[in-house]
Amino acid sequence: GENVGLHLPTLSVQEGDNSIINCAYSNSASDYFIWYKQESGKGPQFIIDIRSNMDKRQGQRVTVLLNKTVKHLSLQIAATQPGDSAVYFCAERVGVTGGGNKLTFGTGTQLKVEL
Amino acid sequence: DVKVTQSSRYLVKRTGEKVFLECVQDMDHENMFWYRQDPGLGLRLIYFSYDVKMKEKGDIPEGYSVSREKKERFSLILESASTNQTSMYLCASSSPFPKETQYFGPGTRLLVL
Repeated sequence: GENVGLHLPTLSVQEGDNSIINCAYSNSASDYFIWYKQESGKGPQFIIDIRSNMDKRQGQRVTVLLNKTVKHLSLQIAATQPGDSAVYFCAERVGVTGGGNKLTFGTGTQLKVEL
Repeated sequence: DVKVTQSSRYLVKRTGEKVFLECVQDMDHENMFWYRQDPGLGLRLIYFSYDVKMKEKGDIPEGYSVSREKKERFSLILESASTNQTSMYLCASSSPFPKETQYFGPGTRLLVL
């Protein structure tokens, strides 16, 4: 299944299928992006990140794709499992102040895995 | 593994009370952050700190203050709690560039009556 951004906050997929969660970011100067997973009642958990000098990065069962031309980020989850059910956020770094970094977060997409 | 802990998972306070939320990280991170999370609004930055005794306002600092007396501990203070501060509060920490991924605590769900 494919989500086309914040207008569809819930994505339902069958167990074993691949999931694609999309995110449109706002700042063309953003140079660092992160995907987080948040399970109910828990804090966000880091999944994968990518810098703007890359188009693609792979992790374990996850791939992040970055298209700077259209300011679009996607998270692909292979062979989706019930444990993948959660809310997924993208985040972009919008600047560095005093050595720290600030992130701007999307509102998230709820992924539901159906058995 | 990075560990960020928050002092309480759930809190119930009354309007006008002073509320302290504490966050501790064990990874010697320079940067620490406080966010609130509300349905439909995502995570919004309240305050952050990039060094001991240093702090900077985030996007929604009104009604909040912070304290960072030790590197591992970052406290969020609600001087006089109001009902519109009912929310999930999340603390995060990170190293500076180029290892600046933010790691989050489990969150504190605060209800102000």
